[in-house]
Order: sequence, then structure tokens, then C-alpha cells
Amino acid sequence: SAVISQKPSRDICQRGTSLTIQCQVDSQVTMMFWYRQQPGQSLTLIATANQGSEATYESGFVIDKFPISRPNLTFSTLTVSNMSPEDSSIYLCSVEEGSEYYGYTFGSGTRLTVV
Amino acid sequence: EDKVVQSPLSLVVHEGDTVTLNCSYEVTNFRSLLWYKQEKKAPTFLFMLTSSGIEKKSGRLSSILDKKELFSILNITATQTGDSAVYLCAVETGNQFYFGTGTSLTVIP
Repeated sequence: SAVISQKPSRDICQRGTSLTIQCQVDSQVTMMFWYRQQPGQSLTLIATANQGSEATYESGFVIDKFPISRPNLTFSTLTVSNMSPEDSSIYLCSVEEGSEYYGYTFGSGTRLTVV
Repeated sequence: EDKVVQSPLSLVVHEGDTVTLNCSYEVTNFRSLLWYKQEKKAPTFLFMLTSSGIEKKSGRLSSILDKKELFSILNITATQTGDSAVYLCAVETGNQFYFGTGTSLTVIP
């Protein structure tokens, strides 16, 4: 299965600043997904990032707040902009394996704390 | 409204016990149901189920899907302390994933 390197693993940021999270995949993948998991809640899909096109955002998430780049088939970034304490969460990227047996692989996550 | 519901929310058992975790769903355009084990931050993929009545098995874990009754179960036999984790169920519809809130399993020595 694909191996995803997600950075940073954690960060503490001041409100009003921005943080960019990176996901590097060891193989080419068509679709990458960005998720958020807040304490006590299930994973929530933020957006789907396809190479060569604009990311598709889910209801409640907008590009100005969570800009995403997907410059090639192995890399994507998610920026959390103008952060507030409500953005404190774990952010995960994942890729679709495209295999009957593997489903999806997730990155190790980024634990963000906004103070 | 599409949703995925897992039960129980939490479970505490003793080593050697067998546990059954439940996942029911109501979605349109069902593609697959996935089970994950989550320890610390990153969920680890366990099974992907697409067809009813076909059990998938991996060691002491097994899972089956009932697309008529819209549910899946995850069984863990002879539980060990290393099985302690949150078990996530997710349903895929096209490009959208719907996740349950997970079942927190604690296995006591």
C-alpha cells in the first residue's frame, strides 16, 4: 500500500496566523483527501484534491480558509488560514489506493493547537 | 441525511473475551464500507466490504456486511490488550466518506 509522509506532526500556533500541512506520497495517486478530526467527533472530509484541477470543498469549508495545492500526483498541501482556537484539531490526508483490498491510506496526521 | 452510526460507543472487556462491534448506515449510492482501527492519531485500515454475506478475516478479526439490513459487524476473538483502540466505521459513496464516531474498546489484562 501507499506510504504517506505528513508534516508537521504537530504544531502550536498563534491565532491569526496560518499553517501549511504537507503530504508526500511514495507513489502517484489521482485523488487525495484532507480530513479534520476534532476531539470527540468523527473524521470530517474537508476537501478532495485532484492534480491539475481546483480542489472540491465540502459543505462548511471554503477555499479562503483552507487553500489546497496539488502540484503533482505525489504531493499536496493544506493551509489553515487566519487560525482561531476553533481550528485546533487533527488534520489528516489520505489517498485512494485504487485496489479492491486496500481501500484508503491515511497520513499520520497533524495535531494543531491554536492559542 | 446520510449517516453512519456505530455501537456501542465504548466497551471494556477482559483479555480473551470476544467482542462484536456494530455499524449501521443510511446513505445513497453506497460503494463500500470500511473499518479502521485508530490508535493515537492515524486510523489504520482493517477491512473494506462491498458485497453482502462475504466474511473478511484477518487473524482474530473478521467482518461481514449486510446490504439489505444496512449494517456491518466487526468481530474480535480472544482479545488482547493491544486491541485497545477506537474502531472506526466509514461508508463510501462516490467521493464522499461518512464516518461513525467510533467504538472505543478497552481490553483489560
